[in-house]
Amino acid sequence: EAAVTQSPRNKVTVTGGNVTLSCRQTNSHNYMYWYRQDTGHGLRLIHYSYGAGNLQIGDVPDGYKATRTTQEDFFLLLELASPSQTSLYFCASSARGRNTEVFFGKGTRLTVV
Amino acid sequence: GEQVEQRPPHLSVPEGDSAVIICTYTDSATAYFYWYKQEPGAGLQLLMSVFSNVDRKEEQGLTVLLNKKDKQLSLNLTAAHPGDSAVYFCAKGTGGLSGKLTFGEGTQVTVIS
Repeated sequence: EAAVTQSPRNKVTVTGGNVTLSCRQTNSHNYMYWYRQDTGHGLRLIHYSYGAGNLQIGDVPDGYKATRTTQEDFFLLLELASPSQTSLYFCASSARGRNTEVFFGKGTRLTVV
Repeated sequence: GEQVEQRPPHLSVPEGDSAVIICTYTDSATAYFYWYKQEPGAGLQLLMSVFSNVDRKEEQGLTVLLNKKDKQLSLNLTAAHPGDSAVYFCAKGTGGLSGKLTFGEGTQVTVIS
């Protein structure tokens, strides 16, 4: 069964801290995405990738780095976390194409205090 | 860039009644449009997708209308039941990728028994 697994599911860090969110997909998909969800904004695309070693900038990339180490694994890095990055983060994967199914993980709730 | 505005942010619906959620988008490009459902602690579940050459689509108690003249997408839930209580998001595909989406702000639907 197609799956996108995010870890950790919950994370609390301090301002200025270093955080890595992990995402693994077992769907053999080329494309992976990181979104953040905030009340009043819906989901907004941070970064995405179309394969190992590739990184594309999304709509709200400031303060975030990402790395795609393998086809399965996509990481989101916050090197100097700020309270404004407190959010619910979703990873997703899809095959190539305009109407292929998109699989979302269950989300990581990050709190920056 | 593309913007999607979704209304209302909250909707209370008596069980058995219908509810309508409306999204207004800005760009006119040919695209796929999507409706997602989010339940607490879960990822996003795709309800329906429509291509921009479609005006109306019905599936399993849901009706999606696409008014290209007014740049509006709507979701009609008929005969609401408690399992319909969730957050609903509209989204528009961008950049030719199914996972590269511009989301509306979301609508919290509560079905009242």
